[in-house]
Amino acid sequence: AQTVTQSQPEMSVQEAETVTLSCTYDTSESDYYLFWYKQPPSRQMILVIRQEAYKQQNATENRFSVNFQKAAKSFSLKISDSQLGDAAMYFCAYRFNQGGKLIFGQGTELSVKP
Amino acid sequence: GAGVSQTPSNKVTEKGKYVELRCDPISGHTALYWYRQSLGQGPEFLIYFQGTGAADDSGLPNDRFFAVRPEGSVSTLKIQRTERGDSAVYLCASSSGLGRNEQFFGPGTRLTVL
Repeated sequence: AQTVTQSQPEMSVQEAETVTLSCTYDTSESDYYLFWYKQPPSRQMILVIRQEAYKQQNATENRFSVNFQKAAKSFSLKISDSQLGDAAMYFCAYRFNQGGKLIFGQGTELSVKP
Repeated sequence: GAGVSQTPSNKVTEKGKYVELRCDPISGHTALYWYRQSLGQGPEFLIYFQGTGAADDSGLPNDRFFAVRPEGSVSTLKIQRTERGDSAVYLCASSSGLGRNEQFFGPGTRLTVL
């Protein structure tokens, strides 16, 4: 069975600084997707960034980028120039390419200090 | 509508009662997903529909939980004989298909069983 692990329950970063959130996963599949979702107190899950496993190039979306290490089954999220609005719960998630369901990690609560 | 909507936003019920939670997906989205998020945890998959049929219901915890999507649009999650352990936020998501297609989430229904 696939599993996703986030080992950092809480992280803190100073405004304008850079922070990295860690995620590891376990799967026997070779074709899958990985995602980072943001969940503010409003509960609305928002997609931050996605990575296709067959792509070697790390995905980037503005201030957000990932470090995808397929052999190590690691998928970390880097947030550059952190802003107060980045404060939220962040969830790492996995989805098998031929399946629909997302498998989520336990989440990392990010706080941003002004 | 512009996004996924869920009603009610909050539901308080007594142990043993029956509840229905509704999800209105984004118009035209063929896939619809239900997840359950307990306090301090990541969402856990319950069931997903492709059109009117349940493509994967492996996450339903027991036979007290049932979901329908009779016309391939709105879905209802039904919980019989509620237990205190059913208290959680129930999230619904929809997508235009599988693969790399993004799942768009609703704001969730917070269910409290007294």
